[in-house]
Amino acid sequence: EAGVTQFPSHSVIEKGQTVTLRCDPISGHDNLYWYRRVMGKEIKFLLHFVKESKQDESGMPNNRFLAERTGGTYSTLKVQPAELEDSGVYFCASSQETGAYEQYFGPGTRLTVT
Amino acid sequence: GQNIDQPTEMTATEGAIVQINCTYQTSGFNGLFWYQQHAGEAPTFLSYNVLDGLEEKGRFSSFLSRSKGYSYLLLKELQMKDSASYLCAGDFSSNDYKLSFGAGTTVTVRA
Repeated sequence: EAGVTQFPSHSVIEKGQTVTLRCDPISGHDNLYWYRRVMGKEIKFLLHFVKESKQDESGMPNNRFLAERTGGTYSTLKVQPAELEDSGVYFCASSQETGAYEQYFGPGTRLTVT
Repeated sequence: GQNIDQPTEMTATEGAIVQINCTYQTSGFNGLFWYQQHAGEAPTFLSYNVLDGLEEKGRFSSFLSRSKGYSYLLLKELQMKDSASYLCAGDFSSNDYKLSFGAGTTVTVRA
């Protein structure tokens, strides 16, 4: 069984540009989470999808961030326009169904905004 | 936040035992997770405690005291491959296992 995959693994962009991160969860997993770790800080929750619906987006920092999950499969996280403080590692995680507590994490996308 | 606190670093010798403590605010608490993360890799699930007590899984054990807001991860018979960051995370959400992480404890195993 393939694990959670994320693309790209690294992205370097200039302030003001747009970047789109992609996450492919484990096949059949209804729950998809986005987390972020900025330099020197703990991993923080961004949002949670159940299938194609946003269950909880309380962690999204501002309206420059837009997350989508087309057809309840893969998800994208767009940052537009990117700011310096958006630099960090963005993790995606998935879990199987409602009530499933074990989240499987992807390797993350390292975003650097210069 | 939920004030997840854990030590920054710990060092131990191969074959020894290390205990990583984690404290958290008890308000709204549902359960406690431990994840292992090797440098540059994905965090991987180690354990989930909901009830008080010790849960053992091979060389790794996790303990929870809900009333004290305290957990620990016990790593026995340390191996070099156990050198990693260990993340304590609490679930304080109503229904979706939204994890609140501590900053992580970097464990270095020496030969």
